[in-house]
Amino acid sequence: DAEITQSPRHKITETGRQVTLACHQTWNHNNMFWYRQDLGHGLRLIHYSYGVHDTNKGEVSDGYSVSRSNTEDLPLTLESAASSQTSVYFCASSESPRGGEAFFGQGTRLTVV
Amino acid sequence: GIQVEQSPPDLILQEGANSTLRCNFSDSVNNLQWFHQNPWGQLINLFYIPSGTKQNGRLSATTVATERYSLLYISSSQTTDSGVYFCAVASSGAGSYQLTFGKGTKLSVIP
Repeated sequence: DAEITQSPRHKITETGRQVTLACHQTWNHNNMFWYRQDLGHGLRLIHYSYGVHDTNKGEVSDGYSVSRSNTEDLPLTLESAASSQTSVYFCASSESPRGGEAFFGQGTRLTVV
Repeated sequence: GIQVEQSPPDLILQEGANSTLRCNFSDSVNNLQWFHQNPWGQLINLFYIPSGTKQNGRLSATTVATERYSLLYISSSQTTDSGVYFCAVASSGAGSYQLTFGKGTKLSVIP
């Protein structure tokens, strides 16, 4: 069965370190997204990609970057982790160029100390 | 950007009761999805419903795109229905496929 997987599931890191969260999907979807979920804010879009070598900023992109070198993967990098980036991160993918159903990974809980 | 409002924010039900959750959105959409976030944090797809009505067991959903709202119905609720229900939409603007989420309805079903 096709799926979308995130790793690691949990991570603790120190302020100032670079951190990369992995997202891998086997749906062969063109569209991939990263969201963060915080109490009181719901899910907010960080970055998204509509295909290989395409990346776009979302609502809360400061301090994050992504790259898309193939269809399956969209890694999210925190250049210099800050305590404000403590959150649960979700990756998602969707198929069609016109709003196909999106599927989410299990989430990564990141704590910055 | 598109605005998504969900109501009510919190809901407590006795097991066996029925409920209706509402999602209002501010612009035309090409995608509307309902998700259930379970107590373990997993986002589970319930419905992909940019328009029309769908049913899946005790759950059903209706989207009236022209009036910019969607409803999620839960019948004969069970304790396993507890969690947060999210509505998410993608605007039908050109090149806009990313979902915008509402803040959710937290449902607690008590025995």
